[in-house]
Amino acid sequence: DIQMTQSPSSLSASVGDRVTITCRASQGIRNDLGWYQQKPGKAPKRLMFSASTLQSGVPSRFAGSGSGTEFTLTISGLQPEDFATYFCVQHNTYPYTFGQGTKLEIK
Amino acid sequence: EVQLVESGGGLVQPGRSLRLSCAASGFTFDDYAMHWVRQAPGKGLEWVSAITWNSETIDYADSVKGRFTISRDNAKSSLYLQMNTLRAEDTALYYCVKDVGYYIYGRFDSWGQGTLVTVSS
Repeated sequence: DIQMTQSPSSLSASVGDRVTITCRASQGIRNDLGWYQQKPGKAPKRLMFSASTLQSGVPSRFAGSGSGTEFTLTISGLQPEDFATYFCVQHNTYPYTFGQGTKLEIK
Repeated sequence: EVQLVESGGGLVQPGRSLRLSCAASGFTFDDYAMHWVRQAPGKGLEWVSAITWNSETIDYADSVKGRFTISRDNAKSSLYLQMNTLRAEDTALYYCVKDVGYYIYGRFDSWGQGTLVTVSS
C-alpha cells in the first residue's frame, strides 16, 4: 500500500497567518491527490483535487501544489473558520490511502 | 445540494453482523460510483469499499474482504454495507462517500456525516 505521511500532526497559528501542510507519498502518485477539511461533527469537505485544483466555492486563500511524492496545502491569511483538521488522500493506486491529518488550532 | 445520510450503526458483539445504509439525495445517484470510508476512534481514515454506478465493479480493502459486502439500489438512491463477522477493530465512524463519475476514480467528492459502529462484548 502507498503510505501517506502528513506533517505536522498539529499546528498552532493566528488569524492572518500563512501555514503549510505537507503530504509525502511512499511512491509516486502523479498528481492524484486531494485535500480535505474536517470540522468536529461535520462531514469532510473537499478543498482541492488533482493536487492543485481548487474545488468550486473554496476560497482562493487555499492553494495546493506538488506532484509525484511531495505535496503541500498552503492557507494564506488564516480566517477563524479555517481552524479545523486537514487531511490528504491519494487515489492513484488501490487501496486509496490517507494522511493522518493535521489539526490546525488557534494560537 | 448533495446529501448523504448514513444509518444503521450501533453497538454489536464481536462475530455478529450489521447493515449500514446511506440515503442519497440532491444528485442523480445512478450516475456515480460510491464508497465507504471509515475512521476508528483517534485514528486516521481508511478506505473500505467502492462500487461503480451499475454494480459491475466492486472493490474492498484487504482488512474487510470476505466479511463485508457493498451494494446499491439505484431505484432507492441508496448504498449499503453488509458487515459480517465483525471484529473489535471494525469499530469506527463509517462514512458514505460519492465519487465524481460512473466509475471508481477515488475522488471523494461529497461525504456524509457518518454512522458509528462499535464492536464490543
